[in-house]
Amino acid sequence: DVKVTQSSRYLVKRTGEKVFLECVQDMDHENMFWYRQDPGLGLRLIYFSYDVKMKEKGDIPEGYSVSREKKERFSLILESASTNQTSMYLCASSFSGRSYEQYFGPGTRLTVT
Amino acid sequence: KNEVEQSPQNLTAQEGEFITINCSYSVGISALHWLQQHPGGGIVSLFMLSSGKKKHGRLIATINIQEKHSSLHITASHPRDSAVYICAVSFNNDMRFGAGTRLTVKP
Repeated sequence: DVKVTQSSRYLVKRTGEKVFLECVQDMDHENMFWYRQDPGLGLRLIYFSYDVKMKEKGDIPEGYSVSREKKERFSLILESASTNQTSMYLCASSFSGRSYEQYFGPGTRLTVT
Repeated sequence: KNEVEQSPQNLTAQEGEFITINCSYSVGISALHWLQQHPGGGIVSLFMLSSGKKKHGRLIATINIQEKHSSLHITASHPRDSAVYICAVSFNNDMRFGAGTRLTVKP
């Protein structure tokens, strides 16, 4: 079974704090993705990575950065958290070629106060 | 405008009812995905299809490429089917998601 794990299920942070969300997959997938999910808006892509040290901006990269130093690990960084970044964050991975099935982690519900 | 539109947004059914969720898209696609998200967040893939029909247990997914439309059917619905169902499409090395349909099945 493919397993995608995320470092936290729930996180509460203060405005201005630096926040790290980590994602690990065990299927040797080339692609990894970070999404945020908000009511009525569906999943929106923040960043994705198709290889180690490679990254591409998604639809809403502002206020976020990412790091992929190892193939199995993809980190999302909020440099200075703001209240409008309160959301559900979902990580996913897939084999290369973005039409392939994506496998999702359990999600991290981040609240910024 | 979202490339993927789902209807209805919310759906409440009685146990045993036949359920249909619809998905329309506006772009040429290489595949369409139906995903299920239970309370608590985790998303699992139910189907990936590019033509015709697929069946898995009580779930059936159909797609009409010419009409740019797909449906997800649940036969003999059960309270454990309560979840958010998400339609997504793959195209041009990209993937777009619908906003989801929240299904509640009452016993």
